[in-house]
Amino acid sequence: EAQVTQNPRYLITVTGKKLTVTCSQNMNHEYMSWYRQDPGLGLRQIYYSMNVEVTDKGDVPEGYKVSRKEKRNFPLILESPSPNQTSLYFCASSFETSGLNEQFFGPGTRLTVL
Amino acid sequence: DAKTTQPPSMDCAEGRAANLPCNHSTISGNEYVYWYRQIHSQGPQYIIHGLKNNETNEMASLIITEDRKSSTLILPHATLRDTAVYYCIVRLPAITGGGNKLTFGTGTQLKVEL
Repeated sequence: EAQVTQNPRYLITVTGKKLTVTCSQNMNHEYMSWYRQDPGLGLRQIYYSMNVEVTDKGDVPEGYKVSRKEKRNFPLILESPSPNQTSLYFCASSFETSGLNEQFFGPGTRLTVL
Repeated sequence: DAKTTQPPSMDCAEGRAANLPCNHSTISGNEYVYWYRQIHSQGPQYIIHGLKNNETNEMASLIITEDRKSSTLILPHATLRDTAVYYCIVRLPAITGGGNKLTFGTGTQLKVEL
């Protein structure tokens, strides 16, 4: 089944404790992206990747890192999480970078930083 | 990307057609109209997109006015499982410099009732 998976689905952590949220897709998609969703603010893009070893900042990259060493994986790293990073996070991927194809979203990771 | 305006909420009886409007009066000539939906905190799901012609797929129909300043998403026979927030997005294809980012507004909460 074609899908985007994220792990963990739920995470409660404390300020300053490094964490990684994994994202994997099995559709051989070039493009992958991370979004966060907060009440009243909609979805905002954090980082995106056009292909392996090619990443770039989205609208709200501060406090996050990403890497794209393999085509299928695009982990989101919070080196020193803070309470304002408490949010619902979504990973997305699409077949090409033209922007004309649909984006497939993962199920989401609900992160709470105390 | 052009700004979109959607009603905050709509109700629809199960089995009836749900018609969700979107106003995008500042749309430019090469911007596409996309529709996604999000079922209660799940990952957003692509529905349909179009440029200027009406489009139909297995999920819905998209009607774009001749001047392209507004569009309507039609779910022909709404079911309870169609209860979701529906997002209308207007964007350039990435190849023209629009990037592959999706900018979600606040959308329309569609409630399908018995």
